Amino acid sequence: GAVVSQHPSRVICKSGTSVKIECRSLDFQATTMFWYRQFPKQSLMLMATSNEGSKATYEQGVEKDKFLINHASLTLSTLTVTSAHPEDSSFYICSAPQRAGSSYNEQFFGPGTRLTVL
Amino acid sequence: QKEVEQNSGPLSVPEGAIASLNCTYSDRVSQSFFWYRQYSGKSPELIMSIYSNGDKEDGRFTAQLNKASQYVSLLIRDSQPSDSATYLCAVIFSGSARQLTFGSGTQLTVLP
Repeated sequence: GAVVSQHPSRVICKSGTSVKIECRSLDFQATTMFWYRQFPKQSLMLMATSNEGSKATYEQGVEKDKFLINHASLTLSTLTVTSAHPEDSSFYICSAPQRAGSSYNEQFFGPGTRLTVL
Repeated sequence: QKEVEQNSGPLSVPEGAIASLNCTYSDRVSQSFFWYRQYSGKSPELIMSIYSNGDKEDGRFTAQLNKASQYVSLLIRDSQPSDSATYLCAVIFSGSARQLTFGSGTQLTVLP
């Protein structure tokens, strides 16, 4: 299947700092990417849809000023957690549908970023 | 609100047995259905996608879709200890711009 990478895989930061997470599609172009958050023992919750060339679409309850998304190119989306607090500690995962415009919407996930805010 | 529901689990089966995982969804016109496997501390891995009513087989995995009853299932034949993981059912609801909605997951343990 298609390959999606994320960086970093793990980050520990102090409360109040900002953290940037990168998501790259390595062998295909992705006009759309998705960002999820997963707390322990819970399922994945969609945070936002990242759109190349336009603003991200955020799910209800997700603060767009706190979770900044930039879809800089057809292979790169970044999520910046601004002024992180301990309650932002979670597993952040991105995904991309392999074939833009296709009705067969298989999505491939990056390996995830484990964020711990002290 | 559009939802995806899965067996609460956890589910334990002996090695070599068939594991059956079930999922129901709330939107009758949904078209795309997926099963993902997630090992502890890892991101989800796509196992199967299914779009039409009936069965779809891939190795030891069979996905079954019944749109009239709004359920999708996953059968794992000859279960192995390495199949022990959380299995996530996901649906792309109509009009959702390819966004996946996940069920809560079923934790499967295959006992050696």
